[in-house]
Amino acid sequence: DAKTTQPTSMDCAEGRAANLPCNHSTISGNEYVYWYRQIHSQGPQYIIHGLKNNETNEMASLIITEDRKSSTLILPHATLRDTAVYYCIVRVGNQGGKLIFGQGTELSVKP
Amino acid sequence: EAQVTQNPRYLITVTGKKLTVTCSQNMNHEYMSWYRQDPGLGLRQIYYSMNVEVTDKGDVPEGYKVSRKEKRNFPLILESPSPNQTSLYFCASSFRQGMGSYNSPLHFGNGTRLTVT
Repeated sequence: DAKTTQPTSMDCAEGRAANLPCNHSTISGNEYVYWYRQIHSQGPQYIIHGLKNNETNEMASLIITEDRKSSTLILPHATLRDTAVYYCIVRVGNQGGKLIFGQGTELSVKP
Repeated sequence: EAQVTQNPRYLITVTGKKLTVTCSQNMNHEYMSWYRQDPGLGLRQIYYSMNVEVTDKGDVPEGYKVSRKEKRNFPLILESPSPNQTSLYFCASSFRQGMGSYNSPLHFGNGTRLTVT
């Protein structure tokens, strides 16, 4: 069963912020939230990850709620090249190696 | 350049003919994993390996085998491929997950598109 729930698709206007939500209500205390994106059928690309604090890097920001049951990936100024499928992933506790990808959100950035 | 290399990129084969898809990484990663991607089903994990000689099943291991004899290589073996294994396959690697608070992103290969007729 999927550990995360994401909307199937979203649209965003070019130049505006894209806010992609993810629900992970069963997350455990030592599980991290990772975000990846996949453009066309290329290999997924790492974006950002976090445990409990908000994180920011050159690509995006990650906002994790205080109860850690949901998070939001923010692309501050979306471009057409950000059109992709975005996956929110939770690492499965002490199993370490088992990773469950959800369906992802197909983000369309429109001019 | 740090990378995960899969071969071949495209493969068309017939039912029952054994095949191997290779995966190699040059980043000294302990962890390696295989995924398949099908329309509407997202990425599903087939097998993973936490280190040399250590492998474990993911969510969809049936019909697949793996081996991890060396740190850099993690081949995916289909002993008797069937049409339902037609899919896009990805290999990924990272430093070892689950050790203390250290977490490492996955690096993915460019994929292998397999067609079994």
